[in-house]
Amino acid sequence: IAGITQAPTSQILAAGRRMTLRCTQDMRHNAMYWYRQDLGLGLRLIHYSNTAGTTGKGEVPDGYSVSRANTDDFPLTLASAVPSQTSVYFCASSPNPGGSGANVLTFGAGSRLTVL
Amino acid sequence: AQKVTQAQTEISVVEKEDVTLDCVYETRDTTYYLFWYKQPPSGELVFLIRRNSFDEQNEISGRYSWNFQKSTSSFNFTITASQVVDSAVYFCALSDSNYQLIWGAGTKLIIKP
Repeated sequence: IAGITQAPTSQILAAGRRMTLRCTQDMRHNAMYWYRQDLGLGLRLIHYSNTAGTTGKGEVPDGYSVSRANTDDFPLTLASAVPSQTSVYFCASSPNPGGSGANVLTFGAGSRLTVL
Repeated sequence: AQKVTQAQTEISVVEKEDVTLDCVYETRDTTYYLFWYKQPPSGELVFLIRRNSFDEQNEISGRYSWNFQKSTSSFNFTITASQVVDSAVYFCALSDSNYQLIWGAGTKLIIKP
């Protein structure tokens, strides 16, 4: 089934540890996104990539980094996790970043991260 | 500034009742898109509808309907004859001139049997 795969589904992490959330899509979408979802705040964009080889900062990029070495993969790394990064993280993709239809996003199932 | 407001944090209704979820947006752009997404208890967000700023026609899809009114900057979502399976968090979103999405905080809809 075409879509987005995120891993891990859930993780408990000690503060200060490094963590990479994986995201893979098989739809050949150009654009990919990382969001975090916190209660009462909706979804906030962390980083995005309009095409392989390029990335950009979203609304809340501090403490996170991303890479886009190819079309399919878009990992999110927390270099040194802090408790405020406890959240549910969603990876998403869209066919293109601009133009009509571009922002119909397909989402992964989410990764629940708890930083202690 | 671009902003999306979903004032209803949580709505609870009994099955078969009609329910309307409100969405009010702010933008200076003349061309923009509005969206609704559904997040069921399983967690994965699902696209429901997209509307561009030049199309104010209301949309109906089965029990779902959307009312877009530029005069009041609103894009409200109505579920007719609600069912338990409609229980979810619903998000309204606005696509700005940079094609990035601005999200509302979401409305949790609880349908009681």
